[in-house]
Amino acid sequence: GAVVSQHPSWVICKSGTSVKIECRSLDFQATTMFWYRQFPKQSLMLMATSNEGSKATYEQGVEKDKFLINHASLTLSTLTVTSAHPEDSSFYICSASGTGDTGELFFGEGSRLTVL
Amino acid sequence: AQSVTQPDIHITVSEGASLELRCNYSYGATPYLFWYVQSPGQGLQLLLKYFSGDTLVQGIKGFEAEFKRSQSSFNLRKPSVHWSDAAEYFCAVGESGYNKLIFGAGTRLAVHP
Repeated sequence: GAVVSQHPSWVICKSGTSVKIECRSLDFQATTMFWYRQFPKQSLMLMATSNEGSKATYEQGVEKDKFLINHASLTLSTLTVTSAHPEDSSFYICSASGTGDTGELFFGEGSRLTVL
Repeated sequence: AQSVTQPDIHITVSEGASLELRCNYSYGATPYLFWYVQSPGQGLQLLLKYFSGDTLVQGIKGFEAEFKRSQSSFNLRKPSVHWSDAAEYFCAVGESGYNKLIFGAGTRLAVHP
């Protein structure tokens, strides 16, 4: 299957700083990417839908100014957690939808953010 | 509102035993249903999906799932579990295909030798 890669896989930052997480589709063009947040022992919660060249669509309750999403190319979407606080510590996962009939989603390996 | 319930948080089985992971959903229309597996350090991998047609779907790694509309269930089964099947399993329902998937809380599977 297609490969989606996230970077970094693990990041620790101080409270108040901003952190950028990248999501890349390595061998296909992704017109749509999704960002999820996963709390320990809980499910994945959809944060936003990112379409190449347009503004992201955020789910209810997700602060768009807090979680900045940019989908500047067909192979890259970025999530920036601005002014991070300890409650933003979580596992962030992206998925990408390739072109084609199936529209199957391919998931990245996730990025664990710890805010001190 | 759509929702997915996986009643079992943890399941432990012996290697070679059969497995059934439960999934119940709440959705007004015909759902798009999925099972994903998440291994440590790896992204979610699609095991199988149901969009329409035959209610018994076959997936990768010897897994199958059966869609039962009357019970709003989509349980995952495997006749003989291997140690490498130990992982977290997520059931999901989609509004329209793969878009905006709603995930269950997951079931962590442990396999005893």
